[in-house]
This record gives sequence, C-alpha cells and structure tokens, in this order.
Amino acid sequence: EAGVAQSPRYKIIEKRQSVAFWCNPISGHATLYWYQQILGQGPKLLIQFQNNGVVDDSQLPKDRFSAERLKGVDSTLKIQPAKLEDSAVYLCASSFQTRRGQETQYFGPGTRLLVL
Amino acid sequence: KNEVEQSPQNLTAQEGEFITINCSYSVGISALHWLQQHPGGGIVSLFMLSSGKKKHGRLIATINIQEKHSSLHITASHPRDSAVYICAVNYGQNFVFGPGTRLSVLP
Repeated sequence: EAGVAQSPRYKIIEKRQSVAFWCNPISGHATLYWYQQILGQGPKLLIQFQNNGVVDDSQLPKDRFSAERLKGVDSTLKIQPAKLEDSAVYLCASSFQTRRGQETQYFGPGTRLLVL
Repeated sequence: KNEVEQSPQNLTAQEGEFITINCSYSVGISALHWLQQHPGGGIVSLFMLSSGKKKHGRLIATINIQEKHSSLHITASHPRDSAVYICAVNYGQNFVFGPGTRLSVLP
C-alpha cells in the first residue's frame, strides 16, 4: 500500500514570497490533515478535511495560509506571503476510522520550509 | 481542550539501557498513539492504545485510563532508536500531540 506522498521535500524562499505544498493521501482515506511542526515542538494542527469539506481550521492563520481539497483526494497548502516564523516542517497525514471510532493517522515525509 | 504532556523532554542513554518515556493527558480520550519521528521529519506510528498494554519487538506501551497516563518502554536500547517520540491522543474529532521526547542512544 502506497503511503502519504508530499512534495516538495524541501523548499527555501525569501520572506514575502509565496509557496505551495502538495499532499496525496492514502487511497480511500477520507480525512486529511495539515500540521505545522516548528523545530523542537510537537506538530500543530493547521487544518482538517473530511472529504472535500473543512472540519477544523481554527488554528490556520487565514490572513496568509490557505488550503484546499477540491475533489476530496489531493490537497494543497499555500502560504502567501511567507514570514520568517513560517520556517517549519509541514506534515500531511491521512486517516481512517475504525469501527470503534478510533483513528489511525498515517503521516507523509513532510516538507521542510526555510524562509530567509 | 486536552493538554498532553511528556517527560522527560530530552533523554540520553547508553546502548543496552532500559528506557521509559511518559505521557499524561487531561481529558478522557478514545485512543492514545505513540509516534516516532526521525531526523528528516518522517513520522511513523508505533502503537495505538485504548487500554492495557501492547508489545512490538523491543517496544512496550502501556496505558492507565483512570490515571490518564501512558508509558513507552524500550528494552535493550540501540543507537538506531535515537529519535523523537511523540504521544498523541484522540478525543472526539480532535487529535492532540504532545511536545515530544528527544532520545539519544549512545554506542
């Protein structure tokens, strides 16, 4: 079974530039997550999709961050314009729910962003 | 809101030592996960627990639902176990991560 794919793996940009990340979840997983992980911290949820609808985007800085999952499969996360503090690893994960209502999340390799 | 705490924050061990990493959370959950993150960012799920104990190779995870506490044990630790170990919990539709424990196992 193919895992969660993300691209690019690394990105270096200057502040005020725009950047986009792509995620392809595991086939059949309805739920997709984007996390931001700053060095030394645990991942922080940015946005959660259920199919192509948004479940939770309360921690997404909507003035500069946007995400979409138009067909309920692939997703893109965009930052426009980037700030220095956006330097982090951006993790995509997808999940399915067991019959008991528990979730197992599968993570992609992450995109490491450096904003100069 | 569920607060997830881990201890210790950093841990250095000699090869062969028995290692314990602790996780506590504040609100009742449906499941707890132990994740391993190697340098480079990729995260691998080690265990998903809702009660009792699970064992996989040299790794053992336990959970005490009443005390809202879980432990991850590594027996006969090896340098390749060096990684960040993250505890995460499911409650409702939420998924909350702890800050991680950075483990370094020296040869």
